[in-house]
Amino acid sequence: DGGITQSPKYLFRKEGQNVTLSCEQNLNHDAMYWYRQDPGQGLRLIYYSQIVNDFQKGDIAEGYSVSREKKESFPLTVTSAQKNPTAFYLCATKGDRAYNEQFFGPGTRLTVL
Amino acid sequence: AQSVTQLDSHVSVSEGTPVLLRCNYSSSYSPSLFWYVQHPNKGLQLLLKYTSAATLVKGINGFEAEFKKSETSFHLTKPSAHMSDAAEYFCVVRGNNAGNMLTFGGGTRLMVKP
Repeated sequence: DGGITQSPKYLFRKEGQNVTLSCEQNLNHDAMYWYRQDPGQGLRLIYYSQIVNDFQKGDIAEGYSVSREKKESFPLTVTSAQKNPTAFYLCATKGDRAYNEQFFGPGTRLTVL
Repeated sequence: AQSVTQLDSHVSVSEGTPVLLRCNYSSSYSPSLFWYVQHPNKGLQLLLKYTSAATLVKGINGFEAEFKKSETSFHLTKPSAHMSDAAEYFCVVRGNNAGNMLTFGGGTRLMVKP
């Protein structure tokens, strides 16, 4: 898990509500990523940011939004437009070199009731 | 475009026997390849990575993987399984494009019997 903090660990939400997942890092990495993991599946990229004040859509961005106002922080908002939000959400960061690997946070499990 | 196929969704071995988790990839350029491990309700931890240096890569906890370009494979092995190896394993290929995106395989769940 290194220097990446995700909170909360478990989150419950009523249908129709927006919810924001936190991701904070102290690794001084420029690049940050949000992934979604569903049971028995690999990870799918939601959004990523390579630098402060800039972010790009990943493969499954619909129903999600992000911001990157600080280098250390990359919060993900799951909006009511996301049709099937129950999943495990993982945040990752990457160092500046092209060959650097991604480091992952401990994840947040979101359950929509 | 790139893709990753993990050939087995579940693998079961006895403690002390060898582990083989299979991974095939496709990529239009020379790829970087990774194996990550995930324990239940945890984040992913890097086991090892291949980035065009030695084709036999040694990782943590006794795992290693061999990059075989002719077979487009990057199988993960360990000579002797421990109970603590029981987890989900992901083979991952990294793109050469802007952002260096990762493409994940579907995962292999390793079960270790006493």
